[in-house]
This record gives sequence, structure tokens and C-alpha cells, in this order.
Amino acid sequence: GAGVSQSPSNKVTEKGKDVELRCDPISGHTALYWYRQSLGQGLEFLIYFQGNSAPDKSGLPSDRFSAERTGGSVSTLTIQRTQQEDSAVYLCASRVGAGGPFGTQYFGPGTRLTVL
Amino acid sequence: LAKTTQPISMDSYEGQEVNITCSHNNIATNDYITWYQQFPSQGPRFIIQGYKTKVTNEVASLFIPADRKSSTLSLPRVSLSDTAVYYCLVANFNKFYFGSGTKLNVKP
Repeated sequence: GAGVSQSPSNKVTEKGKDVELRCDPISGHTALYWYRQSLGQGLEFLIYFQGNSAPDKSGLPSDRFSAERTGGSVSTLTIQRTQQEDSAVYLCASRVGAGGPFGTQYFGPGTRLTVL
Repeated sequence: LAKTTQPISMDSYEGQEVNITCSHNNIATNDYITWYQQFPSQGPRFIIQGYKTKVTNEVASLFIPADRKSSTLSLPRVSLSDTAVYYCLVANFNKFYFGSGTKLNVKP
């Protein structure tokens, strides 16, 4: 079956521009996660959606970052006024069930963002 | 939430058993431990999850001592295709912290 998909796969932008990154989770998965992975680094948790509940935004690195999830499915991560330190691979993951740490998170291939 | 620490890299040879340890000294009562494998240009892939003692599945075992301040991923008889980065994740219901990852290099 179809896995988690993300678009675009690569995005090059200029400093100060806004970008939108899209995540299509596996159908039926109620939990959705966003992570950031800088070059050669581990994964940094950004935000987590569980069903229709308000997301936990405490992992977002600054107020330039925001995310939404429409209809409990597709999610968009928006970065306003991009900075060079925002350059990273942005990974999305989804899982079935009640969320939390239990069970498997299925990851997408990521969006590689480069800010010039 | 617990901060996780892993060795940066490890070398092994085909057919050997590999043990990768993650330290999480400040793990909380409601935290679970999960290990993921990541190949270049791919998202991480779930390997195994546990809370305490020992868990085994078809690809790996996870050992967690009684104090839960560390966990060890055991890969039996590794092959060249096991060359990857391995991450431990300590998480509760709304916080998720990955370790910095251990790059495992399996040699022929």
C-alpha cells in the first residue's frame, strides 16, 4: 500500500522567503509528526497532531514555524522568512491508533530544504 | 524528558552480533524506548520498542535494565545491508527525543 508521501522532495529558496512543505500520511493514520534533521545530525521533534486535537507546538524552534492539519489528514508545515539555519531535511511520520510513543511511526522520504 | 546519548559510530564484520547502547539517565516513568534504522536519503524505519526487560522480534532484541537508564539494541549476525544509522527514541505521549544516532559500518 501507499506509504507516507512528502512534497516537494527538494526545495531551494532564498533567505527571507516563505515555504510550505506538505505531508500526506498513510490513509487511516490518526497521528502525524514532523521532525527536522540537519546535515549529519539526529532528528529534532517539531510538532505532533493527534486526530482533531490541538497540536503540541512546543517543539517548534521559533514563531516563524507553523503547521496545520486539515480534515485530520494532509498536513502543511510553513516556515516564514526563512533563514539559512532552517536548511535541513524535514521528515513527516504517521501512525495508526491513539498516538503517543506506542507502536510504529512510518516515515516519509523527507523534503530537503536549502535556504540560500 | 530524558536526553539520549549514543556512540557516534561502530564497526563490525559480517556474521557478528552487534550491540548498540543508548543512555537515557533521566527517563521518566511514562517514557517508552524505540529504536529506528535509517539509510541515506530515506526516512527512519521502526526496528523494535520496549518499556523494560527484554523484547525480541524477527530482526533484533532490545535489552532494558531494571533502572531503565539505558537500553541496548542487539542485532544478531549482521550483514552488509545492516550498514546504516541507528537511533534510539525516548518518548511519552507528547514529547519525542531521538538520540544523535550511531552509524554502524559492517565490513565484509
